Amino acid sequence: GAGVSQSPRYKVAKRGQDVALRCDPISGHVSLFWYQQALGQGPEFLTYFQNEAQLDKSGLPSDRFFAERPEGSVSTLKIQRTQQEDSAVYLCASSLAGAKNIQYFGAGTRLSVL
Amino acid sequence: DQQVKQNSPSLSVQEGRISILNCDYTNSMFDYFLWYKKYPAEGPTFLISISSIKDKNEDGRFTVFLNKSAKHLSLHIVPSQPGDSAVYFCAASFGNEKLTFGTGTRLTIIP
Repeated sequence: GAGVSQSPRYKVAKRGQDVALRCDPISGHVSLFWYQQALGQGPEFLTYFQNEAQLDKSGLPSDRFFAERPEGSVSTLKIQRTQQEDSAVYLCASSLAGAKNIQYFGAGTRLSVL
Repeated sequence: DQQVKQNSPSLSVQEGRISILNCDYTNSMFDYFLWYKKYPAEGPTFLISISSIKDKNEDGRFTVFLNKSAKHLSLHIVPSQPGDSAVYFCAASFGNEKLTFGTGTRLTIIP
């Protein structure tokens, strides 16, 4: 079975442009997470879905960030009016339902905002 | 407020010797701890985990120790191999499932 797939792997955006990052979780994984990793830092939590329900979006840094998972499978993280400080690697992870389940990560999307 | 701390940004160990990576946390509510390994241009890969009801968990060459009173955990790799060279992240969670990560330790195994 395939792992977590993210696309694109690299994205260069001009400041003010909108971007959409895609995540295909492992088939059958109920939980899906988005993390942001700045250079030299650990991943930081952005938001969490259980099936199609967004249960926690406390980590989203501003209202320019929006995530959805309409059918409980593929998820999209959208960033509107990108700023230079949005430059980071965006990681998606999926897991089986329930706490203490291992999260499996994709390779990430590296976003560079010029 | 860094709730999970990895105070050593880097560590070099001779091949065949023991590698010890350390992690401290401040939130006593954390009840599950994980170590992830990351190679360049790849996502983090799960290595080993431990529940707060245990003080040790072992998987092959990897052992994680948890000292709840000190809010400290460590990852032991023995014997260290060149393929172990990577960045290691400590992570913690409680209640809901989101992970709180440390800043990572870059481990270099010297042949």
